[in-house]
Amino acid sequence: GQNIDQPTEMTATEGAIVQINCTYQTSGFNGLFWYQQHAGEAPTFLSYNVLDGLEEKGRFSSFLSRSKGYSYLLLKELQMKDSASYLCAVREGTGFQKLVFGTGTRLLVSP
Amino acid sequence: EAGVVQSPRYKIIEKKQPVAFWCNPISGHNTLYWYRQNLGQGPELLIRYENEEAVDDSQLPKDRFSAERLKGVDSTLKIQPAELGDSAVYLCASSLTSGGADTQYFGPGTRLTVL
Repeated sequence: GQNIDQPTEMTATEGAIVQINCTYQTSGFNGLFWYQQHAGEAPTFLSYNVLDGLEEKGRFSSFLSRSKGYSYLLLKELQMKDSASYLCAVREGTGFQKLVFGTGTRLLVSP
Repeated sequence: EAGVVQSPRYKIIEKKQPVAFWCNPISGHNTLYWYRQNLGQGPELLIRYENEEAVDDSQLPKDRFSAERLKGVDSTLKIQPAELGDSAVYLCASSLTSGGADTQYFGPGTRLTVL
């Protein structure tokens, strides 16, 4: 089974850097995803990590440590439009794999 | 490229009534998922299809929920009868299962309110 932990809420100011952490416990880890979800909208894919290390994509980066069961999403040069929920999701299993989501971290960016 | 399409976007019904949701996945995606998302929570998988076959329906409350994916493309999710606790957003997602990232792409969801 899965246990995924993320902070419930975070606040930051425009132009700053924020790091959203995610810890997980799983049997059969097979990749970790980050999704962004604006209120009332669908989750949209941000990043995918399956090996240890940092994946950078523009203002967003995601890090994974499989031995520690830990990931973070780093958002740089924050903009007001980055106010959203950020969902950590872990894929487990082999064959027909299952994606299990955390409860999400609501980020509020203020001027 | 068109994304995942869902309808209706909103539905309000009284308890004990039936309701159905429809999903059209991204063209060429062989895998389709139905999730339920309660307020302040992450999506929870209800059922997963590989083409026409339901390969994971362990979280689907089968006494009242049913789903089908005829011809391996569009899918419908039905609740009969609906209960107050079924109020949630029902999300459909699709992916091209290839053994890699198999990223799931979500539709806008159907917000169900049961009165």
